[in-house]
Amino acid sequence: DVVMTQTPPSLSVAIGQSVSISCKSSQSLVHSDGKTYLNWLLQNPGQSPKRLIYQVSNLGSGVPDRFSGTGSEKDFTLKISRVEAEDLGVYHCVQATHVPWTFGGGTKLELK
Amino acid sequence: EIQLQESGPGLVKPSQSLSLTCSVTGYTITSGYDWSWIRKFPGNKMEWMGYISYSGSTNYNPSLKSRISITRDTSKNQFFLQLNSVTTEDTATYYCASPFAYWGQGTLVTVSS
Repeated sequence: DVVMTQTPPSLSVAIGQSVSISCKSSQSLVHSDGKTYLNWLLQNPGQSPKRLIYQVSNLGSGVPDRFSGTGSEKDFTLKISRVEAEDLGVYHCVQATHVPWTFGGGTKLELK
Repeated sequence: EIQLQESGPGLVKPSQSLSLTCSVTGYTITSGYDWSWIRKFPGNKMEWMGYISYSGSTNYNPSLKSRISITRDTSKNQFFLQLNSVTTEDTATYYCASPFAYWGQGTLVTVSS
């Protein structure tokens, strides 16, 4: 299985601060079709996960452009510019290039 | 708008089978996408369990392969999860999803005698 190593496990931030979350995979996530199926999800407390980013850097529907995704091969980053209160929750990276699809361990974003 | 809704028992006894239904509205499950079951354990760990594709083919997490079955009823636009021989380690919140844009609200299933 592809191991997704996500860091840090938690972040304490102030509103308006910018933060980055790292996700590293044990194998390249480039699919045979040439695409890289790396997604970022946010789960706000008490809610279902919401997709923020797909295929490394594409913004999901309705997602504010404060969120951005970068990376390639085995090394990926989610950046949140100007954190807002609604951004608090648990972030996961998840790869869907290799079966089984696998998740990072999560990063909990909390208010400082 | 695509919406998914899980339903099923919230409590299952050890060694029994867990059965959940996902009802989909706003989209026909034979039109596209892979219709998945994903679970979140206490803490933050998440696990993809498997999917049934729009064509009816299935793909399962090998860690569950001997215990899992995902089927569908196209006339009702529903797909189903069956997980056999459950233990307390299967206690989790179960989500159906069209990964990863559309999710159900999740249903907590507790395995306990």
